[in-house]
This record gives sequence, structure tokens and C-alpha cells, in this order.
Amino acid sequence: NAGVTQTPKFQVLKTGQSMTLQCAQDMNHEYMSWYRQDPGMGLRLIHYSVGAGITDQGEVPNGYNVSRSTTEDFPLRLLSAAPSQTSVYFCASSYSQREPQHFGDGTRLSIL
Amino acid sequence: RKEVEQDPGPFNVPEGATVAFNCTYSNSASQSFFWYRQDCRKEPKLLMSVYSSGNEDGRFTAQLNRASQYISLLIRDSKLSDSATYLCAVTRSGGSNYKLTFGKGTLLTVNP
Repeated sequence: NAGVTQTPKFQVLKTGQSMTLQCAQDMNHEYMSWYRQDPGMGLRLIHYSVGAGITDQGEVPNGYNVSRSTTEDFPLRLLSAAPSQTSVYFCASSYSQREPQHFGDGTRLSIL
Repeated sequence: RKEVEQDPGPFNVPEGATVAFNCTYSNSASQSFFWYRQDCRKEPKLLMSVYSSGNEDGRFTAQLNRASQYISLLIRDSKLSDSATYLCAVTRSGGSNYKLTFGKGTLLTVNP
């Protein structure tokens, strides 16, 4: 019963490097989203998708790209990592945007 | 006014105490309401959805007041294991999409 799976759990990058955070869910959820969580800032929505082939920007999309080629997968790409992107990243999914979301256990990303 | 605001806390209470959290939202078109629990360095987990008529789950009671635009969470007979950060989340319609916004969370520590 995997739910929402995020990989990697930890990552250290150098400024300017690129990488992809992986997110997969096995619950056949249409809605998927990416959040970042920083101390004192709460959870902030980066990008979201309402179904395969459909993505949209959230509150803090700059510096990140997403795609949704399948219902199961929703990877988040950092184009050119910056220290300001040091954060904990959570992927979440739900049947619809009005339903409660199920979260993955997060990726802790440090950018030096 | 921020879209979703919570009591900043922290709340420190003895075991057995009753504690209440409030969360206000600014958009009257908000439609779905949730309380999540987040343990230190873990992902948020759904505690309960909040319905218009109010709902109860064991020691936890959630209420919605649309007129005053707030939701509340009451925890009775607090246990040490209730120590966590409690996040409220509100969904509102934005055209064809719905946007889920989280509060910054309230830290609860239950002391022996």
C-alpha cells in the first residue's frame, strides 16, 4: 500500500545544478501537487496538475518546472538550483482538488 | 489580510487539558475545510475534514462558522501523543480550478 512515494528523501546540490524530484502515486488520483515548506512560511504551493497532460502554477512557481505524462507520476524539476530553494518538498495527491490530499514523506533538499 | 490565518502558538498544555485552535479564512467562496496534523520532520496527515454541521472523531471536534469565516479544532483530554503541529487548510474555487491553501500551523506540546 505505497500511497504517495517521493524520491530521493535527501539531496545536496551545488548552486547551478539541475535535478528532478520524483513523485508517484498508486491511488489513481487525478489531482497532484508540489509544495515547499520553510520555517515560518508554512506550506506553499509550487505547481499542481488536475490530470495527465494538464499542469498549472501555484503560489511560488519560479525556478521549477513540472510535467504530467501519466496519472501516476508528477516530477518536479529544478532548472538551476539556488540557495533560496533549500527547503523540504512535499508531493501530494487526491481524487480532486476539493478532496483532502495525501502527502508523500518529503524530500529534504539543501543547495550550497 | 492573509488568505488563511492560524493562532501562531505555541500552546503548552498539561495532559488531560482541553485545547482549542482557531483558523480564519478571508475568502467567503471557500468550500472545503480540513485539519491536518504534522509531526516534527514528517509529512502532514489528514486529521479530519470539517463539515458545515460540525463533526466529531473521538476526542477531536471540528466546527465551521461560515458567517464569521473561521474553523475550529477542539481536543479534549489531551494526550502526550497529541503533541504536533496542527495545520488548517481551505479550498476555494478559482475559475475552473480549486486552490488549497494552508495556514502556517500551530504547535501544540502536551506535557506530562
